[in-house]
Amino acid sequence: ETGVTQTPRHLVMGMTNKKSLKCEQHLGHNAMYWYKQSAKKPLELMFVYSLEERVENNSVPSRFSPECPNSSHLFLHLHTLQPEDSALYLCASSPGLAGVEQFFGPGTRLTVL
Amino acid sequence: QQPVQSPQAVILREGEDAVINCSSSKALYSVHWYRQKHGEAPVFLMILLKGGEQKGHEKISASFNEKKQQSSLYLTASQLSYSGTYFCGTETTTDSWGKLQFGAGTQVVVTP
Repeated sequence: ETGVTQTPRHLVMGMTNKKSLKCEQHLGHNAMYWYKQSAKKPLELMFVYSLEERVENNSVPSRFSPECPNSSHLFLHLHTLQPEDSALYLCASSPGLAGVEQFFGPGTRLTVL
Repeated sequence: QQPVQSPQAVILREGEDAVINCSSSKALYSVHWYRQKHGEAPVFLMILLKGGEQKGHEKISASFNEKKQQSSLYLTASQLSYSGTYFCGTETTTDSWGKLQFGAGTQVVVTP
């Protein structure tokens, strides 16, 4: 595997379910990100991790819970989501934080019923 | 605060040129440009840093006007492969680094 991978690619869940999204980067980067991309809206930064420490929580509801066990893996734990949380969730990584390219994964298309 | 992109959409014929603008109300440290094709991940095009030079990627180039807090992306002699949605992302000097704010995107359609 190369680059940034995300699993699953598609997920359908009910509002009472608990699920997790997984992101893995094979680039040796030390910063990882979660973004939300909704239809007709700008990419929205959710969380930023640098050296496994969360450095940004962009006013995201607590029903989204990130976890970064090491610099290569990032999870987004989901519970009691709402239909408006349906979106494409993108993971990205970068070699640092400031002024550097972010490499995006293919995303997980989430549908909340 | 998110940057403002214009235009929202542009339709080009192969070989034509286009300019996409990205404006911020805050002082900028950097401007990132990405292109996203339908159903795919955003792909990095280039970064412009404060005090840096104009960048280029094949026939796509960009400029950064620090005084106007604005960046422009130039699509020159467009090719069919240029179709997609172009996003600018900005890092501001008043916020922490790494926290990109993205514009709403400019949809580019290049026709034969």
